[in-house]
Amino acid sequence: DTAVSQTPKYLVTQMGNDKSIKCEQNLGHDTMYWYKQDSKKFLKIMFSYNNKELIINETVPNRFSPKSPDKAHLNLHINSLELGDSAVYFCASSQSQGASSTQYFGPGTRLLVL
Amino acid sequence: AQSVTQLDSHVSVSEGTPVLLRCNYSSSYSPSLFWYVQHPNKGLQLLLKYTSAATLVKGINGFEAEFKKSETSFHLTKPSAHMSDAAEYFCVVSGAGSYQLTFGKGTKLSVIP
Repeated sequence: DTAVSQTPKYLVTQMGNDKSIKCEQNLGHDTMYWYKQDSKKFLKIMFSYNNKELIINETVPNRFSPKSPDKAHLNLHINSLELGDSAVYFCASSQSQGASSTQYFGPGTRLLVL
Repeated sequence: AQSVTQLDSHVSVSEGTPVLLRCNYSSSYSPSLFWYVQHPNKGLQLLLKYTSAATLVKGINGFEAEFKKSETSFHLTKPSAHMSDAAEYFCVVSGAGSYQLTFGKGTKLSVIP
């Protein structure tokens, strides 16, 4: 069974379009995250949700809007896509917000904006 | 504030020889430290983590890391490299909360047959 899953795995779209990426975890975790990995493999957190509430929102354009319908899901909606949004987006989850709590990552969604 | 420096962007070893991937950290808190591995076009997998228990941490696939507070280091080692170890490795430090993970820039490990 997949612990953290993301759909779609690949996403190719035109500039200006709106797209969504879905994430689901079956680990029973309380906290979920979205990360962006750029072309140089650098990973940076975008958002974190705990029990469906936003607890961190790094300096991300407001074109990016996370939505958590329940504890097991954290979706990412992106409006008016730009070329610079091309990256790999990873969803992750952890049992709690504690410093030692391990984050488990999904397989990633490779977004290419043309 | 916290930061992570992976000292080598690329390490190349021969199959069967030891692996050393270096990581130095900076943290205002007693840190938790992690190593993650990313195989090509795959997600991140946890190799091991340090959480203020034993300073020598054993992980999966024969990897281990030693936490050295005096040197602010958390280097990853493996006695004998295997072809399947070829991947990108990330050293990660956690601050006061798990959402405060800071990733290093990664070290690409190549294994030569």
